Amino acid sequence: GAGVSQSPSNKVTEKGKDVELRCDPISGHTALYWYRQSLGQGLEFLIYFQGNSAPDKSGLPSDRFSAERTGGSVSTLTIQRTQQEDSAVYLCASSLSGQGTDTQYFGPGTRLTVL
Amino acid sequence: AQTVTQSQPEMSVQEAETVTLSCTYDTSENNYYLFWYKQPPSRQMILVIRQEAYKQQNATENRFSVNFQKAAKSFSLKISDSQLGDTAMYFCAFAAENAGNMLTFGGGTRLMVKP
Repeated sequence: GAGVSQSPSNKVTEKGKDVELRCDPISGHTALYWYRQSLGQGLEFLIYFQGNSAPDKSGLPSDRFSAERTGGSVSTLTIQRTQQEDSAVYLCASSLSGQGTDTQYFGPGTRLTVL
Repeated sequence: AQTVTQSQPEMSVQEAETVTLSCTYDTSENNYYLFWYKQPPSRQMILVIRQEAYKQQNATENRFSVNFQKAAKSFSLKISDSQLGDTAMYFCAFAAENAGNMLTFGGGTRLMVKP
């Protein structure tokens, strides 16, 4: 079966522009996570969706970052008014139910470069 | 809050030899899980091995095994019979059962397997 997919693979944008990053989780997985991997901060959690519950947004670094998950499947991470420090690889992961016994499966990531 | 520390930024090993990657963590949680993820140049994070904190027996997956010392909060990864394909970044990660199981990662260890 298909794994987690993310698009685009690479995105170059100018400072101040908005960007949308997409994640398609594994079919049937109810839990979806966004992480950011940057040189300065390493790998950090951003946001977590579990079924129809309100998302856990505790990792979002600023109010310029938002995410939604439509129909319990595809998720979009939006960054408004991008800054150079937003340059990073954005990773999406999904798991069957969000339980600790579940494995999180990662997508290949989107490399965002803000000029 | 949880922290995960990997004290070895880079390591190298000869093909067919054994190497151990170190990881320590800090938490006040009782129910948690520990993971080792591998990230090759393709960026895809791949689960190598996992350990439930309530299990005393160390996890083993083929050539990969862990030494889990709960009291010392230590979770090292041993790779036996190293292969060229093991060359990658290795991340130690922690997830708490009652916190949505989002992963907290260490800074990573870059492993180079030399022929």
